[in-house]
Amino acid sequence: KAGVTQTPRYLIKTRGQQVTLSCSPISGHRSVSWYQQTPGQGLQFLFEYFSETQRNKGNFPGRFSGRQFSNSRSEMNVSTLELGDSALYLCASSLRTGAGDTQYFGPGTRLTVL
Amino acid sequence: DQQVKQNSPSLSVQEGRISILNCDYTNSMFDYFLWYKKYPAEGPTFLISISSIKDKNEDGRFTVFLNKSAKHLSLHIVPSQPGDSAVYFCAASAPGGSQGNLIFGKGTKLSVKP
Repeated sequence: KAGVTQTPRYLIKTRGQQVTLSCSPISGHRSVSWYQQTPGQGLQFLFEYFSETQRNKGNFPGRFSGRQFSNSRSEMNVSTLELGDSALYLCASSLRTGAGDTQYFGPGTRLTVL
Repeated sequence: DQQVKQNSPSLSVQEGRISILNCDYTNSMFDYFLWYKKYPAEGPTFLISISSIKDKNEDGRFTVFLNKSAKHLSLHIVPSQPGDSAVYFCAASAPGGSQGNLIFGKGTKLSVKP
């Protein structure tokens, strides 16, 4: 079974631009979560989607948004990029969204904002 | 305020010995805890988890202990192997039981020396 895939793997943007990252979950998984990893803050939860609905949202500004499609694929968008948005963005999928449903992570998208 | 803390940024252990990674949390409502391992350029990989109704869970060389009164959990790896060298993250499930919203510690880098 294929794992979680994320595209692109690396991205360089400049301040003020916007970016869209894509995540394809494991086949059959309906829950997708996004995390931001930075050296200073570690892994921080961005948002979670289940069956095309946002279930949870972390403490990030409105510039960060996401969506999930009917095939469970998900995208996240960051508008008006800032230098501090440089990070590794990780996507994770799970079958459902209850306790005990293990999250499987993709390799991440490394975003660099210049 | 950090709700999940891993106070040791790094740990060095000799091959064959026990590795003990520690994690403290502040929110007594957390009901599920997980450990992930992360190699460079890869996403985190699930290792082992424990529900708050248990105090121990074992899977091969990995054992997680939970001390609810102390709000402390630990991961024991025995015997440690060089391939275990990675960053280990402790995570907790936010109140409400949604596994899509994990709160992570900042990680401990384990080095297992041959």
